[in-house]
Amino acid sequence: DARVTQTPRHKVTEMGQEVTMRCQPILGHNTVFWYRQTMMQGLELLAYFRNRAPLDDSGMPKDRFSAEMPDATLATLKIQPSEPRDSAVYFCASRLGSLHGELFFGEGSRLTVL
Amino acid sequence: DQQVKQNSPSLSVQEGRISILNCDYTNSMFDYFLWYKKYPAEGPTFLISISSIKDKNEDGRFTVFLNKSAKHLSLHIVPSQPGDSAVYFCAASAGMYSGGGADGLTFGKGTHLIIQP
Repeated sequence: DARVTQTPRHKVTEMGQEVTMRCQPILGHNTVFWYRQTMMQGLELLAYFRNRAPLDDSGMPKDRFSAEMPDATLATLKIQPSEPRDSAVYFCASRLGSLHGELFFGEGSRLTVL
Repeated sequence: DQQVKQNSPSLSVQEGRISILNCDYTNSMFDYFLWYKKYPAEGPTFLISISSIKDKNEDGRFTVFLNKSAKHLSLHIVPSQPGDSAVYFCAASAGMYSGGGADGLTFGKGTHLIIQP
């Protein structure tokens, strides 16, 4: 059963701490996205990769957020230092190939920063 | 600046009746539109899509209508069932036909559909 896997599912941390979220895209999918869901903004695109190369991270606060793909089976999103306003659900999604078409989402990582 | 707008945060519909969810967009470069459904504690799942060369796409109980001149699309669910209670996101992308589009989807804020028994 092919699916996008995200860890952790839930994370509670204190302001100033480093947080790392991980994503395993569907095997063979070469485009990986990070989205953030908040009540105010809905689903916002933070960054995405194609064939492991970062293509767009304009949606991400650069001073504290970083996204990487160490290999084709792992994408990471790191926040350092974390702030209460980062509290949200972070979704990873993947897709094979073409510019268009549906994205397959993971179940999300719910982050709470106290 | 929200390029995809879902102006109804919630909608309540009686079981068996038609549910109509609306979505407006401002970017005239958008040429491919999707609807996603999301249950609590789960990721969004793809429901149905439509490209700008069509004005209607149907899949079982779900139909999406696109009015390009009004920059408006809608999702019709008929008949509505209890399992349809979820948050529905409208999403759009550009460049399918015009070229030069960006990867990724632009999402609306979602509409919470509640089906009343």
